[in-house]
Amino acid sequence: SQTIHQWPATLVQPVGSPLSLECTVEGTSNPNLYWYRQAAGRGLQLLFYSVGIGQISSEVPQNLSASRPQDRQFILSSKKLLLSDSGFYLCAWSKGLAEGTDTQYFGPGTRLTVL
Amino acid sequence: AQTVTQSQPEMSVQEAETVTLSCTYDTSESDYYLFWYKQPPSRQMILVIRQEAYKQQNATENRFSVNFQKAAKSFSLKISDSQLGDAAMYFCAYKGGSEKLVFGKGMKLTVNP
Repeated sequence: SQTIHQWPATLVQPVGSPLSLECTVEGTSNPNLYWYRQAAGRGLQLLFYSVGIGQISSEVPQNLSASRPQDRQFILSSKKLLLSDSGFYLCAWSKGLAEGTDTQYFGPGTRLTVL
Repeated sequence: AQTVTQSQPEMSVQEAETVTLSCTYDTSESDYYLFWYKQPPSRQMILVIRQEAYKQQNATENRFSVNFQKAAKSFSLKISDSQLGDAAMYFCAYKGGSEKLVFGKGMKLTVNP
């Protein structure tokens, strides 16, 4: 069966510091990968998605970036965090295009607080 | 652009009773998928049920079932025999031709013992 991991689970960072959140998927190959952010009391907003190694699509222009160095690894980064980057970050995966990408499965999330 | 609306921010139900959560959506696409996700206090998003728009038959997963009305663009979730563990935020979501899941704002369900 497939599992998805995210770390760290909780992170407190000062404004202006860098960020690196990691997501890995096990038990599948060639998945589509997604980063979402959930602000307090709101739904999820798609930030980035990737259909393959090195292929990143951005949905919301901001000071965050994403990379996919390996097939089942997805990284969310920032060079300088802003207060507005605080939130709950969720990684998700779905089957690749050849198998149908309709259903997304989510990781446990990372709670980021920027002070 | 597609939108998903959950008009009830909160609901409560007695344990063992049935509750229905409402969701409406707006789209011009003909092929799409609809989902209900549950987010317990741990905040992990858990898939509850999935409906393919081209299927007329309503999806069912154990105590969870949907009432999908394509013409009305309505997608409600019925939880039967409610349990304390059903207490959570519930999100309705839409996926069309793009990779993006469009979420509603969520609804908090409280289950009273």
